[in-house]
Amino acid sequence: QSVLTQPPSASETPGQRVTISCSGSSSNIGSHTVTWYQQLPGTAPKLLIYSNNQRPSGVPDRFSGSKSVTSASLAISGLQSEDEADYYCAAWDDSLNAWVFGGGTKVTV
Amino acid sequence: EVQLVESGGGLVQPGRSLRLSCTTSGFTFGDYTMNWVRQAPGKGLEWVGFIRSRPYGGTTEYAASVKARFTISRDDSKSIAYLQMNSLKTEDTAVYYCSREEYLYYDSSGYYPLGHWGQGTLVTVSP
Repeated sequence: QSVLTQPPSASETPGQRVTISCSGSSSNIGSHTVTWYQQLPGTAPKLLIYSNNQRPSGVPDRFSGSKSVTSASLAISGLQSEDEADYYCAAWDDSLNAWVFGGGTKVTV
Repeated sequence: EVQLVESGGGLVQPGRSLRLSCTTSGFTFGDYTMNWVRQAPGKGLEWVGFIRSRPYGGTTEYAASVKARFTISRDDSKSIAYLQMNSLKTEDTAVYYCSREEYLYYDSSGYYPLGHWGQGTLVTVSP
């Protein structure tokens, strides 16, 4: 069981918008910023969103993040076939003294 | 260009030891906290631990699942991070990634996202 809770899957047609939720607690999301990673099939994870809603250079603005109290979400608009991947949320947890990840959400386009 | 290359993975019997290396280039290794993250076959990401940079004490933190069995160390002169894994269990079977923190902003808590990752090395623990 992952400390952060994500839906296992999400799907939408090309061009549409999909949103992925990430639920935590006061010791992780409630106290620290949220990071999102994208993992394309057979590759290493890639930093997608940091500090709740910031995109690193090179990440399209189709990807956006938000956070409210102890939950966060990732939205992908204008879905493209290359967005098919697993998406993970993460945050530092003060109680566990550890980085915690969500279980991952497989996005199908 | 920042590069991280893991090595040392392979097949090992339960109870034995293995040491992974993360050889890096393209950045000042000594300035960064280095993390290890693993992924069991068909499963999600699991943080293993990190070692802080020397300016921040060079201290380590570990996930509860590996504490007392795994040790992370670093050789700043060679730009290499290590993961020493002892008393291996079948549930330690995973691809092990090393990763580097990315200091894209100031975080008062001192915990930063992982911006660069290696390609991973597979560790299989089996009789």
